[in-house]
Amino acid sequence: DIQMTQSPSSVSASVGDRVTISCQASQGIRDYINWYQQKPGKAPKLLIYDASNLQTGVPSRFSGSGSGTHFTFTIDGLQPEDIATYYCQQYHIPPPYSFGQGTKVEIK
Amino acid sequence: EVHLVQSGTEVRKPGTTVRISCKGSGYRFSDYYMHWVKQAPGKGLEWVGLVDPEDGNTFYSKNFQGRVFLTAATSSDTAYMDVSDLTSDDTAVYYCATGDSSGILDFWGQGTLVTVSS
Repeated sequence: DIQMTQSPSSVSASVGDRVTISCQASQGIRDYINWYQQKPGKAPKLLIYDASNLQTGVPSRFSGSGSGTHFTFTIDGLQPEDIATYYCQQYHIPPPYSFGQGTKVEIK
Repeated sequence: EVHLVQSGTEVRKPGTTVRISCKGSGYRFSDYYMHWVKQAPGKGLEWVGLVDPEDGNTFYSKNFQGRVFLTAATSSDTAYMDVSDLTSDDTAVYYCATGDSSGILDFWGQGTLVTVSS
């Protein structure tokens, strides 16, 4: 099964800062990776699909990049409403699929 | 608009079985895989498995194979997850999720809390 190693587990940054999160796949997954945001007590929300595509309605300060085994998620200009936990998820076919461990983003 | 509505909170004793449901609306139910995701208290997301409502085919994470059983009824646009032989480690919020691509989870249910306690 494909394992996703996500880092860091938490990050503290100031409003307006750039925040970068990484995910490494245990084997090549092309661009079959998505990024989700989860706020406490809520279901996850899709932000980025297929490595770099912004889901409709998601602010452009969120972006994703990468292909193969190494992927990056960026918040360019952190806002107070971005406080959440972020997860990567691979869906290389065939299943099983898997999530990264999550990154908690906090305001400094 | 796609909506997924899950059944309510469950409390079970160890060794028993729980069934959670997820009713879809706003789309053709058989067109999209239904995924299930576990989130234990204070922990991350864990992919459980998926069911194809079109033909009933399933895929499971190795961590859940043998104890989790996923089904879907197109007659009622409802997916089900049965978890058997419950232990305290099964205490979690379980989400159903779907989307128009095999592994992109656009739409999520509200989550169902399952508590396993003697």
